[in-house]
Amino acid sequence: AQTVTQSQPEMSVQEAETVTLSCTYDTSESDYYLFWYKQPPSRQMILVIRQEAYKQQNATENRFSVNFQKAAKSFSLKISDSQLGDAAMYFCAYRSGFGNEKLTFGTGTRLTIIP
Amino acid sequence: EADIYQTPRYLVIGTGKKITLECSQTMGHDKMYWYQQDPGMELHLIHYSYGVNSTEKGDLSSESTVSRIRTEHFPLTLESARPSHTSQYLCASSDSRWRDANTGELFFGEGSRLTVL
Repeated sequence: AQTVTQSQPEMSVQEAETVTLSCTYDTSESDYYLFWYKQPPSRQMILVIRQEAYKQQNATENRFSVNFQKAAKSFSLKISDSQLGDAAMYFCAYRSGFGNEKLTFGTGTRLTIIP
Repeated sequence: EADIYQTPRYLVIGTGKKITLECSQTMGHDKMYWYQQDPGMELHLIHYSYGVNSTEKGDLSSESTVSRIRTEHFPLTLESARPSHTSQYLCASSDSRWRDANTGELFFGEGSRLTVL
């Protein structure tokens, strides 16, 4: 079974600075997808960024980028120019590429933005 | 904003009551999911459905049941609520054509926070 580990329960960053959230995963599969989801307080969980395992290039979405290290099974999220609206719980998630539709989530990292 | 809706958002009930958490989506997604989110925020899959009349148990054992009579509707029922059922329940949906479309993105509702006294 796949597992996803987020070793940082809480992180904080000064507004406009850069922060990196860590995620490691364990799998024996070669085809899979990785995601970072954001859950603001009392609001819907939304997708921040996704990475296909077969792609070597790291995904980027505006101020959000990932550092995908397939051999190390590491998938960190970098948030540049942090904004107050980035404050949320961030979840790393894994999805098999072989027809299994289920997401396996990490335990989450609570990100606080310091004004 | 995703078109997936959960009601009620908050519910406080007494032990032994029957409750149904509603989930509806207007995106035509065939796959739907229920996740239970602990107070410590970890999410566990408790039920999922691949389409009408399809329901499966998730990774975390749950005393709740689900049904999928219509594509857009995936309600979760607890026949006799207990304090151990106190949690947040998140409904989600996805498109089976994910390889051509969105590579498996799940769309989530806002959640139903259940407190059983």
